[in-house]
Amino acid sequence: GQQLNQSPQSMFIQEGEDVSMNCTSSSIFNTWLWYKQDPGEGPVLLIALYKAGELTSNGRLTAQFGITRKDSFLNISASIPSDVGIYFCAGHPGGQNFVFGPGTRLSVLP
Amino acid sequence: DSGVTQTPKHLITATGQRVTLRCSPRSGDLSVYWYQQSLDQGLQFLIQYYNGEERAKGNILERFSAQQFPDLHSELNLSSLELGDSALYFCASSVATLSEQFFGPGTRLTVL
Repeated sequence: GQQLNQSPQSMFIQEGEDVSMNCTSSSIFNTWLWYKQDPGEGPVLLIALYKAGELTSNGRLTAQFGITRKDSFLNISASIPSDVGIYFCAGHPGGQNFVFGPGTRLSVLP
Repeated sequence: DSGVTQTPKHLITATGQRVTLRCSPRSGDLSVYWYQQSLDQGLQFLIQYYNGEERAKGNILERFSAQQFPDLHSELNLSSLELGDSALYFCASSVATLSEQFFGPGTRLTVL
């Protein structure tokens, strides 16, 4: 079936730093979603992207739908301790159900 | 608060037992999805229902079954439980199959 890759798998950053992570697929996707999951909680939808090249912001978060439609990027600016968690990307390859990536685990050091 | 509710929040049971997890979708959402998340793992898609009918199946074991009722709430039944079934079980809902999914808070199942 369809698979998504997320990189990095995990990252440790200093508070105040900017963060970049990405999600790639071998197939073309029509929609990209980014979620954040706090420990023991359900994933929360951060940003939804619907068009190739689309750039969307939500506060300090910015996500982009890659031009090739095979990738998406999430950036977090000026990280704070509450940014800690697992970030999942999800996409649907046209007519099929959403596929979730394995996640990027973010740790923020004070 | 996503608007998706799940009960119970925690469940502790013994091997061989059967449990039922319940999910109420957001108001207006017709589609319900079930996911399993083992410790430090990603989300494993189990099954999807749309307006009462099974729409898609993922890696769901034969010991597991689900249904969606006329009021659109859904139940996930897990039987002959094994230690490896211990996990977080999430329900998500969406307006339609290709719409954004909104997740509930999850049910943490511990099998002893």
